[in-house]
Amino acid sequence: QKEVEQDPGPLSVPEGAIVSLNCTYSNSAFQYFMWYRQYSRKGPELLMYTYSSGNKEDGRFTAQVDKSSKYISLFIRDSQPSDSATYLCAMSAQTNAGKSTFGDGTTLTVKP
Amino acid sequence: DGGITQSPKYLFRKEGQNVTLSCEQNLNHDAMYWYRQDPGQGLRLIYYSQIVNDFQKGDIAEGYSVSREKKESFPLTVTSAQKNPTAFYLCASSGASGPYEQYFGPGTRLTVT
Repeated sequence: QKEVEQDPGPLSVPEGAIVSLNCTYSNSAFQYFMWYRQYSRKGPELLMYTYSSGNKEDGRFTAQVDKSSKYISLFIRDSQPSDSATYLCAMSAQTNAGKSTFGDGTTLTVKP
Repeated sequence: DGGITQSPKYLFRKEGQNVTLSCEQNLNHDAMYWYRQDPGQGLRLIYYSQIVNDFQKGDIAEGYSVSREKKESFPLTVTSAQKNPTAFYLCASSGASGPYEQYFGPGTRLTVT
């Protein structure tokens, strides 16, 4: 079983929809939780990160971490066609010298 | 501009040839990483280095080699021993303290025929 499991998708939504992207994990040592966005044939770019449980908002994006359930989510409000990309969750722990473990990614298409 | 550069963007090689992919960063990051990504797949860690002159194998190191002689540079050699080398290769770097977020280069697409 993988340490990080990500909802596989693909996901297709109409413009303006609220999108929920989710990951579960098994390693309770993970302290930092990150979301990356990867456009086709490009390198991933960091969207946002959170530390421990709680919510963090950045514009239309909200990252949510529930350590008790070992579950993290990324919500995208008012989704736009430009949000069409693959989203990768990633987690790291100080005990592992920061080496991140990535989910396999969820591909999102937002249709105009 | 701070960032990570990878060159070349596209690389074509014949089977049986070794090939070296370049990765340079000017973010003053201690850690650097190499990943392989196949179509529709996630990232698989090949090698990583947390300090100059030291590196560790990742999940799929067989058929690959690296060096870390300078903090800024972490070249990856794909050897002829790698059975299926055609893939998208990504280099990344991160700082020495949390949250250890990684910054990625634009990638090199290697095709071996």
